[in-house]
Order: sequence, then C-alpha cells, then structure tokens
Amino acid sequence: EDKVVQSPLSLVVHEGDTVTLNCSYEVTNFRSLLWYKQEKKAPTFLFMLTSSGIEKKSGRLSSILDKKELSSILNITATQTGDSAIYLCAVHGGATNKLIFGTGTLLAVQP
Amino acid sequence: DAGVTQSPTHLIKTRGQQVTLRCSPKSGHDTVSWYQQALGQGPQFIFQYYEEEERQRGNFPDRFSGHQFPNYSSELNVNALLLGDSALYLCASSLFAEAFFGQGTRLTVV
Repeated sequence: EDKVVQSPLSLVVHEGDTVTLNCSYEVTNFRSLLWYKQEKKAPTFLFMLTSSGIEKKSGRLSSILDKKELSSILNITATQTGDSAIYLCAVHGGATNKLIFGTGTLLAVQP
Repeated sequence: DAGVTQSPTHLIKTRGQQVTLRCSPKSGHDTVSWYQQALGQGPQFIFQYYEEEERQRGNFPDRFSGHQFPNYSSELNVNALLLGDSALYLCASSLFAEAFFGQGTRLTVV
C-alpha cells in the first residue's frame, strides 16, 4: 500500500533557528513530491520536486528530493513566528493526479 | 483570478442526515479531487473527477458520492452521516500535477 511518512510529528523552536522536516515515501509510479503549508484551512503550495527538478529554493525555504532514498527534506532557515503551521508532504503517484499525504509536521516557532 | 472556492465554510448536521458540499475549481483547471482531513491527520483522498466522471476513488464507503458538472465545478455528497464523518473537507483542483486547495468546509456531525 502506498504511504508517506513525515517526521517529526511536531517541533518547537525559537525564532532564528533552522529546522529540517523529513518526508519518506513508498508510492508506486512516483511522479512528483509536493510540500504544502497549512495554517488554518487550505494547504498552500510550497514546492514540487520531480526527477528533473530535485532541488527547489524560495527565500528561507528550500527542499531536496532524494530519489535513491525515497525521501525529501524541507529546510527553513531563520525561522519566524509566521512559519508556525502544519507542513504537509504529498506524493503524486500513478496515472492520475491523486495525492497521497503524510500526517504532517506541526511546527511552532516561539518568539 | 479566483482560486478554488468551496461552500459552505461551516456546516453542522445531525447523524443520519445527508450533506452536499460544493467546489469551484481554479480557472483553467479540469480536474477536481476531494479530501477528508480529520483533526491531527493529513488529508485523505476520497475521489477525483475529470471530464464529469469519477476517475479514481480512495478507501471511502459508497455513502460518499460526487459529481462534476460541465463547467468543472463539483459536489461531494455524504449520506447517512456518522459522527466519524466530522472533518475538514478539502477540494483541490489541478490541470497537471500541481494541486491547489480551497479553504475547505468544516463539517460537524452531532
């Protein structure tokens, strides 16, 4: 059965710290891996990683896909209180646009 | 450009009732997927609609059904509601692999 596992489940850091969130997957016919940030309701898109684009960066956030290890990391440097959210990892597999989500990592950034 | 819009935002229903949730996809997107997110969990795939047909379905009972209209908007119907159906229901629209989510409908079954 396809699955996506994220770790840690939750994390508390102080402003200015750097955090690394992990995502591992076992999904047939892997097509892409996506990271989302969920603050209240709607997950908002952060990155999409594919075989042809294994590293993405946007400001203080960056992500790398390791296809050999079937995993990805999301790094956030110089964290701010506004980074507090649930970070979801999802893998797009198979012939359709079905996304398989992990349970998410709850990040709390304290002032 | 309006993103993905869902209605209603909140809903309270009684066990055994039926509910219909609605979703309008992002402009230009032809595929709509529905997800259920229980508290503390990641979204779980319910089903996906493309060209007005259910293309793929997750592990949800037949009480969950849907529809897609010619303008690509979609409905999710849940019959015979159970307490365990209380969750945030998310609609995502996509054209290729990148999915954009609506704000969700918070359904509470009492």
